[in-house]
Amino acid sequence: GQSLEQPSEVTAVEGAIVQINCTYQTSGFYGLSWYQQHDGGAPTFLSYNALDGLEETGRFSSFLSRSDSYGYLLLQELQMKDSASYFCAASGSARQLTFGSGTQLTVLP
Amino acid sequence: KAGVTQTPRYLIKTRGQQVTLSCSPISGHRSVSWYQQTPGQGLQFLFEYFSETQRNKGNFPGRFSGRQFSNSRSEMNVSTLELGDSALYLCASSSGTGVTYEQYFGPGTRLTVT
Repeated sequence: GQSLEQPSEVTAVEGAIVQINCTYQTSGFYGLSWYQQHDGGAPTFLSYNALDGLEETGRFSSFLSRSDSYGYLLLQELQMKDSASYFCAASGSARQLTFGSGTQLTVLP
Repeated sequence: KAGVTQTPRYLIKTRGQQVTLSCSPISGHRSVSWYQQTPGQGLQFLFEYFSETQRNKGNFPGRFSGRQFSNSRSEMNVSTLELGDSALYLCASSSGTGVTYEQYFGPGTRLTVT
């Protein structure tokens, strides 16, 4: 089976940088994805890491360390619209995604 | 391409009743996964269908079932509803081949059981 741990809440101010961590315990691990969900909305895909290292997509970056079973999502130049829940999700040999319980990010003015 | 659609968007049912939710995936996608989302619980995996066959199943009681049709549309059914079944039910589609890491979610069906 697979389990993922991430903080339940993170707060930061507009313009700042925030890091959301995710640790996982899994068998047959392929990679780590990140999803964003605004209140009342559907989760949307942000990024995927299959290999160790940093992947950058605009203001968002995602990092994976397979040896540490750890990853993080880095959000730079925070904007009010970034206030949302962020989920890490592990891909495994069973071809299904296992999601963490989500991190509620609040961006303050 | 049209996105994933789910019907109905909102539903109110009484304990003991049953309910059927529908999901139409993105055209060409053969995999449909269902999730239950409740506050603080994240997305709990229910099951996944690929080419009309259940390929994966989460840890939910047998009251939760699903099926997939030849056009990849999927339905999930919950029988003998309980208060604790009140949740947002999300379906997500993907190609279903290779490693699954990017899924496209529908807007969800908000189920309230009274």
